[in-house]
This record gives sequence, C-alpha cells and structure tokens, in this order.
Amino acid sequence: SQTIHQWPATLVQPVGSPLSLECTVEGTSNPNLYWYRQAAGRGLQLLFYSVGIGQISSEVPQNLSASRPQDRQFILSSKKLLLSDSGFYLCAWSGIAGEYEQYFGPGTRLTVT
Amino acid sequence: AQSVTQPDIHITVSEGASLELRCNYSYGATPYLFWYVQSPGQGLQLLLKYFSGDTLVQGIKGFEAEFKRSQSSFNLRKPSVHWSDAAEYFCAVVDPYNAGNMLTFGGGTRLMVKP
Repeated sequence: SQTIHQWPATLVQPVGSPLSLECTVEGTSNPNLYWYRQAAGRGLQLLFYSVGIGQISSEVPQNLSASRPQDRQFILSSKKLLLSDSGFYLCAWSGIAGEYEQYFGPGTRLTVT
Repeated sequence: AQSVTQPDIHITVSEGASLELRCNYSYGATPYLFWYVQSPGQGLQLLLKYFSGDTLVQGIKGFEAEFKRSQSSFNLRKPSVHWSDAAEYFCAVVDPYNAGNMLTFGGGTRLMVKP
C-alpha cells in the first residue's frame, strides 16, 4: 500500500531563516505531487505541483520554491522566511491514468517568529 | 475554470442527529467530485468520491453523498453524527483534462458536535 511522509512535523523558525520541508511517497511510482498551505482558519491554497522529476509548476508567486530531485521526493524551500509563511503545509500525491483523488500527508506546522 | 462553494462555514449538530453539509460546484462538464475530512492538526482523509454512475455514493465512516446535476450540488450526509465526527470537511472537484489533476477545494465547513 502507499504511504506518504512529511517532516518535520513541527517547525519554529525566525524571520529571514531558510526553510526545507520534505515529503516522500512510498508504494507507487511516478506520482503527481502537490504542496498546499493552510493559513490559520483558512482553506487550502495550492502552492506547487509536479508531474515528474524536475517538473515543477507554481500556482502562487511567493518566496517559496519547490524541487523534485527524485521520483517520490518533493521538497519545499525558502531562502528567507517571512512572517506570512506561517501555516500548516500539506503534501499530497495522486496517481495518473484515471486516478484523480489526492492522498495527503500528515502535514508540517510552521511558525515563523 | 471550476469552482466549489461550501455555503456553511460552521455547523453545530447534536450527537445522534442527522447531518447534511452543502457543496455547490461550477464546472462545464461532468465533474469528478470528492469529500475530504480534516481533524485538527492532521492531514486530509478522503471520505468518498463521485466519478460517474450511481448518483448516491457511499463512503467511509458512515458518510454518503448525492450528486445532483440539476442543482450542481454534491451534499454530504450522515444519518447519525458521532462526537468523533467533529472536524473540518472539504468538498473538491477535479478537472480530469488538466495535466496536473489539480483539485479545486471549497472553503471548508467546520462541524461541531454537541453532546
């Protein structure tokens, strides 16, 4: 069966510091991968998605970036965090060829101080 | 572009009472629809999905949803709510012709359950 991991689970970082959040998927190959953010009390905002290694599409311009160095690894980064980057970050994956539902990881709670 | 509206931001029901969460979508063709549930501090869990066929779909945890094309709705129901159902619920639609299979989510409905 497929599983999705995210780490760290929680993170407290000062403004201006770098960020690296990691997401890995097991039990499937060539998944579509997604990064979402939930600000407090808000809905889900799609940040990035990837349909293959090295292929990243950005949905919202910001100081975040994403990379997919391996088939089942998706990384969210920032060089300098802003207070507004605080939130709950969710990674998700979906299959291809007719499988449209997305499966979510447990999330990372990021607090920028 | 597709859109999803969940008109109720908060709903409170008594334990044991029935539940209906509303979802309206805007999409040019037959939509692929989903309901997800999120407990506090957790990721989203898929409750059920509709692609085609029978318009009444059954999901996990005793939930069901009915697709009504004429009303552009996909409402989630449960006949008897349990305290553990308190969570946030998201309706979503996917455009199957989009290369990234991206979901469009509604704003969510937070369900509170009174003892």
